[in-house]
Order: sequence, then C-alpha cells, then structure tokens
Amino acid sequence: AQTVTQSQPEMSVQEAETVTLSCTYDTSESDYYLFWYKQPPSRQMILVIRQEAYKQQNATENRFSVNFQKAAKSFSLKISDSQLGDAAMYFCAYRIRDDKIIFGKGTRLHILP
Amino acid sequence: DTAVSQTPKYLVTQMGNDKSIKCEQNLGHDTMYWYKQDSKKFLKIMFSYNNKELIINETVPNRFSPKSPDKAHLNLHINSLELGDSAVYFCASSQIGLMGTGELFFGEGSRLTVL
Repeated sequence: AQTVTQSQPEMSVQEAETVTLSCTYDTSESDYYLFWYKQPPSRQMILVIRQEAYKQQNATENRFSVNFQKAAKSFSLKISDSQLGDAAMYFCAYRIRDDKIIFGKGTRLHILP
Repeated sequence: DTAVSQTPKYLVTQMGNDKSIKCEQNLGHDTMYWYKQDSKKFLKIMFSYNNKELIINETVPNRFSPKSPDKAHLNLHINSLELGDSAVYFCASSQIGLMGTGELFFGEGSRLTVL
C-alpha cells in the first residue's frame, strides 16, 4: 500500500529564515505525482508545488522549492525567506497516475516574528 | 468565480439527523472527490466519481451516500448522523488522464458538528 510519512508534526522558524519540511513515501510505481499543499487557519487547501516523478529537475515556485530524491523516496519542501503568512499546516501528497491522492499527516509550521 | 464551491460551510445538527452537503465545480474537470479531515487534521479520501461513475469507495459507513447528477456536481448525503461524523468535509476536483496535471482543486470545506 502506498503511504506518505511526514515525520515532523510541528516546526518553528524565525521570520526571514529558511526551513525544510520532510516527506517520505512508499511506492513500487515509477510514474507518479508528488505535491505539497498548504492549509492556513482559513482551512482552504492551497497547492504550493507539484513534481512529476519522471522529471529529474526539482520544482520551484518563488520561495518554495523541493528536494526530490526518487531513489530514496524523499520529497522535502524548502521555504526560503519565511514570512508570517507561511504559517499553516503543510501536507505532502502522492498520486499514481489516475488514482486517488494520498496525504501525509501534515506538519504544522509556526513562523516566529 | 469560485472554482470548487460547497455548501453549507458550517453545519451543526443533532445526532440521528440526516444532512447533505453540496459541491459544484466550474473547472470542466471530469473527476470529483470527497475527503474527510478529522480533528487531528488527517485527510482521508471517501469517494471519487469520474463522469458520474463511482470509481473510488473507501471503507466508509453506508450511512454516507454520494450522488453525482452530472460531472460538475457531487453531493454527499449522510443518514443517522453520529458524534464521530463531526469533521471538515472537503470536496475536490481533478482532471485525470493525459490532459490532467494531477493535482486536486479543493472547495473551502464544510465543517460538520454533530451534537
């Protein structure tokens, strides 16, 4: 069965600093998608970044980037220049082609002013 | 225009009642989902419909019945509500297949509280 593990239930980072959220997944597939979603207190689920497994280049979206290690089945999210608005729950997620998306249990990120 | 909209946003009801949550998407996606987020924030898929056909039905009590009148709508009806049904229910849509980008587009969630 596919699983997604986020080993850090909570993290804190000083404003303007860099933080990395960890995610590992378990799969025997070679073709899949990986995602990071953000859920602020408003509870809206917002896509932060998306990675296709066949692409070796790590995805980047402004201050957000990933470190995708396919062999290690690792997909960490790096947030640079952390801002107060980055405070949220962050969910790592995995999808095989047209199948359901499976979510990790989330990491709550606190930004310290 | 809201891409995925669900109503109501908040629902407070007594145990034993029946309630429905409606969802509509205007993205032209062919697949819609219901996810349940519990008090620990864990997101778990409940159902998925592709072009009105049920394709994913996780281990969900049969008190929960999804209905998809067309591919833009997916409603969730819950019979005989129990305390454990209290959660946030998210509707989502996605375009799967060659034209899809894989990600889910979520509604704002419906917080159900059963007293």
